[in-house]
Amino acid sequence: GQNIDQPTEMTATEGAIVQINCTYQTSGFNGLFWYQQHAGEAPTFLSYNVLDGLEEKGRFSSFLSRSKGYSYLLLKELQMKDSASYLCAVRAYGGSQGNLIFGKGTKLSVKP
Amino acid sequence: GAGVSQSPRYKVAKRGQDVALRCDPISGHVSLFWYQQALGQGPEFLTYFQNEAQLDKSGLPSDRFFAERPEGSVSTLKIQRTQQEDSAVYLCASSLGSGANYGYTFGSGTRLTVV
Repeated sequence: GQNIDQPTEMTATEGAIVQINCTYQTSGFNGLFWYQQHAGEAPTFLSYNVLDGLEEKGRFSSFLSRSKGYSYLLLKELQMKDSASYLCAVRAYGGSQGNLIFGKGTKLSVKP
Repeated sequence: GAGVSQSPRYKVAKRGQDVALRCDPISGHVSLFWYQQALGQGPEFLTYFQNEAQLDKSGLPSDRFFAERPEGSVSTLKIQRTQQEDSAVYLCASSLGSGANYGYTFGSGTRLTVV
């Protein structure tokens, strides 16, 4: 079956660094996505990893290890507006079956 | 349009009523996905279209759920004889293609409440 695990909730302080982990077991792998979702809003794309290693984009970085079935999202210099749910999603198949399999999401609360 | 547009934004239906949810994808986007998101959960895949062809409907929870995209642009998700367990946010996403590098853009969703 398909399984994606991430912590349910995390709390961090404004200005700090937080790492949100994601482990996955899927039948096939064709990329891992991180999305941010504020309450009542659409998920918005943060990052995409298909090869092992670190992808950096401003305050956000994402890491992937395919052999370990593991990814993390690193958020630096946390701001209050970063309070949101962070969704890890795996694209298990290529070609026409491009749907994403999502984890349950990690609700991040940033406190002053 | 500039983004994926979904309507209505909110829908309250009485149990047993039929509902139709609309998705307007980004112009030119070939791929279109429907997801169901229960409160506090991640989105769950329902169905996938490539242009007008429905290539995967394995996530539709029952035969009460039906989706179409007759002209390869606007899509409608129809739920017949709604039940309370259908209450959720229904998200639509579109993508320029189906290859690995194409990003997915989500709409804001339709929040369906069945009473």
